[in-house]
Amino acid sequence: AQTVTQSQPEMSVQEAETVTLSCTYDTSESDYYLFWYKQPPSRQMILVIRQEAYKQQNATENRFSVNFQKAAKSFSLKISDSQLGDAAMYFCAYRTPSGGGADGLTFGKGTHLIIQP
Amino acid sequence: DTEVTQTPKHLVMGMTNKKSLKCEQHMGHRAMYWYKQKAKKPPELMFVYSYEKLSINESVPSRFSPECPNSSLLNLHLHALQPEDSALYLCASSQRVAGGRETQYFGPGTRLLVL
Repeated sequence: AQTVTQSQPEMSVQEAETVTLSCTYDTSESDYYLFWYKQPPSRQMILVIRQEAYKQQNATENRFSVNFQKAAKSFSLKISDSQLGDAAMYFCAYRTPSGGGADGLTFGKGTHLIIQP
Repeated sequence: DTEVTQTPKHLVMGMTNKKSLKCEQHMGHRAMYWYKQKAKKPPELMFVYSYEKLSINESVPSRFSPECPNSSLLNLHLHALQPEDSALYLCASSQRVAGGRETQYFGPGTRLLVL
């Protein structure tokens, strides 16, 4: 079974600074997908960024980028120029490619990100 | 447009009540999901529908009964729930693509309180 570990229950960063959230995972699969979701106090789960395991290039989305280390099974999220609106719970998630069915996501326990003004 | 809608936003029910949660998407997605999320915990998968057929049922108690009437709509029927079933219920959808590259998009959730 796949597991996802987020070792930082809470992180705090000054507004406009850069912060990195860590995520490691365990799998025997060679092809899979990794995601970072953001869940603000409104509880809406919002996709931040995704990475396909077969791609060596790290994904980026504006101020958000990942450092994907496949051999180390590590998938960290870097947020540059942090903004107050970035404050939320961040979940790292894993899924395998769906075959005959459509699989759900396996989530880490989450990291609560606090932005200090 | 990546919108998944859920109704109601909030629901309070007694242990003898019967209620239903509704989820809708109009993105042409053919996979839909129910997750349960307790406070300060990650979401946990309950059910997966693929092409309107139940493909995954993660050992959920029978007091939860999913239904997928068509490709855009997903219901979760609730009956004889327990107070420990109080949680945020999240619906998600994804486009079924060969090779499984789909991304799941979530609705805003229904916050359920069982008294």
